[in-house]
Amino acid sequence: KAGVTQTPRYLIKTRGQQVTLSCSPISGHRSVSWYQQTPGQGLQFLFEYFSETQRNKGNFPGRFSGRQFSNSRSEMNVSTLELGDSALYLCASSASGTGDETQYFGPGTRLLVL
Amino acid sequence: EDQVTQSPEALRLQEGESSSLNCSYTVSGLRGLFWYRQDPGKGPEFLFTLYSAGEEKEKERLKATLTKKESFLHITAPKPEDSATYLCSISGAGSYQLTFGKGTKLSVIP
Repeated sequence: KAGVTQTPRYLIKTRGQQVTLSCSPISGHRSVSWYQQTPGQGLQFLFEYFSETQRNKGNFPGRFSGRQFSNSRSEMNVSTLELGDSALYLCASSASGTGDETQYFGPGTRLLVL
Repeated sequence: EDQVTQSPEALRLQEGESSSLNCSYTVSGLRGLFWYRQDPGKGPEFLFTLYSAGEEKEKERLKATLTKKESFLHITAPKPEDSATYLCSISGAGSYQLTFGKGTKLSVIP
């Protein structure tokens, strides 16, 4: 099976802009989660979607939003970018609901905000 | 609030020198404990899932164990290619998010 894919792999934006990141889960997985990874804070949970519904949301401002499509693909959007949003954004998918809660991660999108 | 603490933060081993990494956690009802390995600039790579105290999983030179308060990742006769950051995470009852520790950076010297 193909793994989790994320596009783009690298992005450079300027403060105030917005950005959309995309994630394609492992085939058959209906749960997609997003995480932000920075050297100072480590891996922090953003939100999780299952069958197009957001089930969990982390402690991030409303500038961070996401959605999931009927084919389980997911996007996250960050509006009004700030310097502190520079990070590695990771997407993970799981077969949640089948008894296996393991999350499998993609390679990440490296976002640099100037 | 779910919490994960990993120790040590960094560990240097000679090739062949076995050791253990610790992950202590607090959670209201554990759904699962997960170990990952992460290489620089890459996404975390799944290693093990543990669901209940007393459970053990093995893969090549790695063995993960779980108690009600902590998990250990034992590395037997490590090789330089085992050098990476090892991450521990938990999922609590009624939650679909993972809470991660800060990781242990392992360096294996030839």
